[in-house]
Amino acid sequence: QVQLQESGPGLVKPSQTLSLTCTVSGGSISSGSYYWSWIRQPAGKGLEWIGRIYTSGSTNYNPSLKSRVTISVDTSKNQFSLKLSSVTAADTAVYYCARAYDVWGQGTTVTVSS
Amino acid sequence: SYELTQPPSVSVSPGQTARITCSGDALPKQYAYWYQQKPGQAPVLVIYKDSERPSGIPERFSGSSSGTTVTLTISGVQAEDEADYYCQSADSSGTDQVFGGGTKLTVL
Repeated sequence: QVQLQESGPGLVKPSQTLSLTCTVSGGSISSGSYYWSWIRQPAGKGLEWIGRIYTSGSTNYNPSLKSRVTISVDTSKNQFSLKLSSVTAADTAVYYCARAYDVWGQGTTVTVSS
Repeated sequence: SYELTQPPSVSVSPGQTARITCSGDALPKQYAYWYQQKPGQAPVLVIYKDSERPSGIPERFSGSSSGTTVTLTISGVQAEDEADYYCQSADSSGTDQVFGGGTKLTVL
């Protein structure tokens, strides 16, 4: 079955850009009419939707993060990616990638600190 | 911005029925989804499209919708059901997704 795996630096300096990749295995990212999402969760807090991308390239972003977020897809690599610019300590969280609602990655912890 | 409201906590004894509510103005128009999250683990979908149960999810999990409130019901609660539960839906346009604040289910 489809599995997702997040990857990227675990430590990012303030004001820099956080970059994460989600690799899809067990199926093609282009098959079906799914969208692919990023969600984050600060330690001890709830889930926050960051945004999503369709394989057509169409995107939707959380209005509170929209000015700093870019989500892209690389169908040739079966991956989709997240870039979050101008990070601060408030962006420290576990970041999850997900296929629509039903398949989630295990999550990756990103800490913003100098 | 659009918000979904959940109670912070619900407590039940084993074998009883737990009901967790989620309220939002757009819920009459948009489907709701429910996730279970245990400590240190990724969320797991337990209900989709208000009341559908994914394969592999026990029958004791069910969902319902009435007006601006959706409800996750867990019948015959077991100790293993102790977890955080989150609802998710979209704003009235269907563009922006949002999660409820989460409900901690404690099995006494």
